[in-house]
Amino acid sequence: GIQVEQSPPDLILQEGANSTLRCNFSDSVNNLQWFHQNPWGQLINLFYIPSGTKQNGRLSATTVATERYSLLYISSSQTTDSGVYFCAVHSINTGTASKLTFGTGTRLQVTL
Amino acid sequence: DTEVTQTPKHLVMGMTNKKSLKCEQHMGHRAMYWYKQKAKKPPELMFVYSYEKLSINESVPSRFSPECPNSSLLNLHLHALQPEDSALYLCASSSLGGGISPLHFGNGTRLTVT
Repeated sequence: GIQVEQSPPDLILQEGANSTLRCNFSDSVNNLQWFHQNPWGQLINLFYIPSGTKQNGRLSATTVATERYSLLYISSSQTTDSGVYFCAVHSINTGTASKLTFGTGTRLQVTL
Repeated sequence: DTEVTQTPKHLVMGMTNKKSLKCEQHMGHRAMYWYKQKAKKPPELMFVYSYEKLSINESVPSRFSPECPNSSLLNLHLHALQPEDSALYLCASSSLGGGISPLHFGNGTRLTVT
């Protein structure tokens, strides 16, 4: 099956800093989503981004499907950005449209 | 605020107990999911219901029994669980298959099996 690797695995930032999280995948995909899981376990869908670039406030994401990677940019980080960031992909070789494969996650801690 | 509601938030049960997790969404989504997440790991897919019919069972043990009474509700019935089943159980929904439309998660039920 498709492999999804995220880097870095862990990241500590000072409040106000910028960061880039990366998601690499091993097969062609027709969909990619970014999620943020807060320290209480809630998973929030940040972006639905099969290709191109999207922005939402301080966050933006870029997916280059032909090169099999996606990037999540966090600018002017805040303590509320802490948590785990997951990318999840749908492989075009998956027989069903319902099966997302989650990446390994990036654990982010933003300090004061 | 999440548009997918899960109850209870926390559940402690013994290995001989029977309990149920509940999930509700009112977004008109026709696909609903159960995921299991262990600490420091990504969510793992357990079951998918599409148009109220079970479409995916990821070889989940029979002590977990899903049910979709209608297009808005999803239950997970638990019986004779093991301590290793302790985890965060997440419900999700999407308008079409989760591979081609955004997935929306509930807040989860944190289950402890004693």
